[in-house]
Amino acid sequence: DGGITQSPKYLFRKEGQNVTLSCEQNLNHDAMYWYRQDPGQGLRLIYYSQIVNDFQKGDIAEGYSVSREKKESFPLTVTSAQKNPTAFYLCASSMSSGGYNEQFFGPGTRLTVL
Amino acid sequence: KNQVEQSPQSLIILEGKNCTLQCNYTVSPFSNLRWYKQDTGRGPVSLTIMTFSENTKSNGRYTATLDADTKQSSLHITASQLSDSASYICVVSRENTGFQKLVFGTGTRLLVSP
Repeated sequence: DGGITQSPKYLFRKEGQNVTLSCEQNLNHDAMYWYRQDPGQGLRLIYYSQIVNDFQKGDIAEGYSVSREKKESFPLTVTSAQKNPTAFYLCASSMSSGGYNEQFFGPGTRLTVL
Repeated sequence: KNQVEQSPQSLIILEGKNCTLQCNYTVSPFSNLRWYKQDTGRGPVSLTIMTFSENTKSNGRYTATLDADTKQSSLHITASQLSDSASYICVVSRENTGFQKLVFGTGTRLLVSP
């Protein structure tokens, strides 16, 4: 899991509630990413940030929001607008967002909507 | 359409045996190809990264090959161990104005049986 931590490991949410997933890295990486993993599907990009105070929508950003106020932190908020939020969420970081840069993944957060 | 397809979907082998996992892709423009190992409930861990000009790369008992002409890659595992039981994900990177967009396969689930 390198120097990336995610919390909590398991999260339960009632319908209509917003929840925030934490992602912290101590690798001094500029770029950070949020992915969603569902059974039988490949990882899908939710949001990414190439540098502090900047972020971009990925392929499935609807119902999610992020912030990047500090280089080491990239929290993801799952809002009540996300129709099917139950999934395994993975945060990743890389030295930069271009070139041959390896993405290092955190241990993941499993979110279940009750 | 940019896609990564992996086969087989799942595989059971006896401890000590070798196996080969396949990956076909239609991603363009191609930048590099990566293989990740993902233990159940954990984040993926990088095994190899190969660029267009590399056709083989090893990491211990793992050897990846790449044929950029036929757009195929394979991951060969030698002398399998119980700890090799995991999902193996093929990932192809697209270069797009300085941002590496990763396209993930759905993975091959490998079970190594004693």
